[in-house]
Amino acid sequence: NAGVTQTPKFQVLKTGQSMTLQCAQDMNHNSMYWYRQDPGMGLRLIYYSASEGTTDKGEVPNGYNVSRLNKREFSLRLESAAPSQTSVYFCASSPKGDRGPSGGPSTDTQYFGPGTRLTVL
Amino acid sequence: AQSVAQPEDQVNVAEGNPLTVKCTYSVSGNPYLFWYVQYPNRGLQFLLKYITGDNLVKGSYGFEAEFNKSQTSFHLKKPSALVSDSALYFCAVSAFSSYKLIFGSGTRLLVRP
Repeated sequence: NAGVTQTPKFQVLKTGQSMTLQCAQDMNHNSMYWYRQDPGMGLRLIYYSASEGTTDKGEVPNGYNVSRLNKREFSLRLESAAPSQTSVYFCASSPKGDRGPSGGPSTDTQYFGPGTRLTVL
Repeated sequence: AQSVAQPEDQVNVAEGNPLTVKCTYSVSGNPYLFWYVQYPNRGLQFLLKYITGDNLVKGSYGFEAEFNKSQTSFHLKKPSALVSDSALYFCAVSAFSSYKLIFGSGTRLLVRP
C-alpha cells in the first residue's frame, strides 16, 4: 500500500494564479482531510470529507475549495492564490465516516501524506 | 471550544536520558488525545493515542504518554532518548463525535549525542 499520496511535492505560484492539489489514499478510508502547516501554529484544518460526495469546512476554509471525487481522491483548489496561502499542505485520511455511537472519526488515527510545499509570490 | 497547548517550543536532552514533552488540553466532554511526530520534510506519523481506559498509553518507538484528567495533561515520555528521536512532536485533541482534530503548535525535540 502506498498509503496517502500527494502531488505535487513543490509548487511556486504568482498571486492570482490557480492550482489544484491532489490527494489519494488506497486504504479504503471513509474520511479525508486537508490541513495547512505554518511555523508556530501547528496544523489547521481547511476542509474535510466524511464520505464520498460530502465536504465540510474546517477552521480556515476561506480562499479554498475542495472536491471529493470518489472514495480515494480528495482535491484542494486555490482559485486565486494569495501570499497568505504560502504554506505546507497535508492531506490525511481516517477509516471511519459516520459519527455513530462509538464517536466516529474522533477516535480514529489519521494517516498523513508527505505534504505539498506551496509558495505564492 | 477545543484547544491544545504545548508550552515548550524546544526540548533539549542528552542521549540516554529520559525525556518529557508537555501537552495540556481543553475540551468539552471526554477528550481523545493523540501524539504525532514529524521528521524533516515528511508528513506526520502517529505515535499513540488515548481514547479510554488505562491512563498510561504505550506507543511506537518506546514512547508512552500519561493521561491526567485533573491536570488536563497528556505528556509524552520516553525512558531513554535516542539521537534519532530528534524531530517535531505534535499533541492533538478531538472531542466525541467531532471530525476536527485540533493540534498544538509543536515542540522540537533535540537529542544530543
